Amino acid sequence: KAGVTQTPRYLIKTRGQQVTLSCSPISGHRSVSWYQQTPGQGLQFLFEYFSETQRNKGNFPGRFSGRQFSNSRSEMNVSTLELGDSALYLCASSLAGQGIHEQYFGPGTRLTVT
Amino acid sequence: AQSVAQPEDQVNVAEGNPLTVKCTYSVSGNPYLFWYVQYPNRGLQFLLKYITGDNLVKGSYGFEAEFNKSQTSFHLKKPSALVSDSALYFCAVRDSSNTGKLIFGQGTTLQVKP
Repeated sequence: KAGVTQTPRYLIKTRGQQVTLSCSPISGHRSVSWYQQTPGQGLQFLFEYFSETQRNKGNFPGRFSGRQFSNSRSEMNVSTLELGDSALYLCASSLAGQGIHEQYFGPGTRLTVT
Repeated sequence: AQSVAQPEDQVNVAEGNPLTVKCTYSVSGNPYLFWYVQYPNRGLQFLLKYITGDNLVKGSYGFEAEFNKSQTSFHLKKPSALVSDSALYFCAVRDSSNTGKLIFGQGTTLQVKP
């Protein structure tokens, strides 16, 4: 089975611009979560989508948004980029439904804001 | 609020020796605990999880973890360390909101020397 894929892998943007990151989950996985990883703050939860609905949201400003499509693929968008948005953005997918399921992570998108 | 602590920023061990990476948690309700490993410029790889049952959980690559409810700990162990085990290790707990949100510790760098 193919793993979680994220595109692009690397991105350089200018402050004030917006960016869209894409995530394709493992086949059959219906839950997709997004995390931001920085040296200072570590791994922080952004949001989770299940069946095209946002199921949970972390403590990030409204500039961070996401969506999920009917094929479970997900995108996240960051508008009006700030220097502090420079980070590794990780997408994770998991089975949904009964039970406690582990998340499988993609390789991440490295965003640099200049 | 749920939280996870990894008290050591770095653990150094000689190849062939046993290793332990420590994790303590604070949860309301049942603890659902996970260990992940991250290699440079890569996403997180799932190692193992504790849901319920046996306090000793076996995972990938020879790793195991010991759940201790009275000490609220979930330490990662391996009987014989390999140089290739050198990486960043994260302990995580699933948020009590019953969704896909994971709360991560700050990470522990494991350095295995030949």
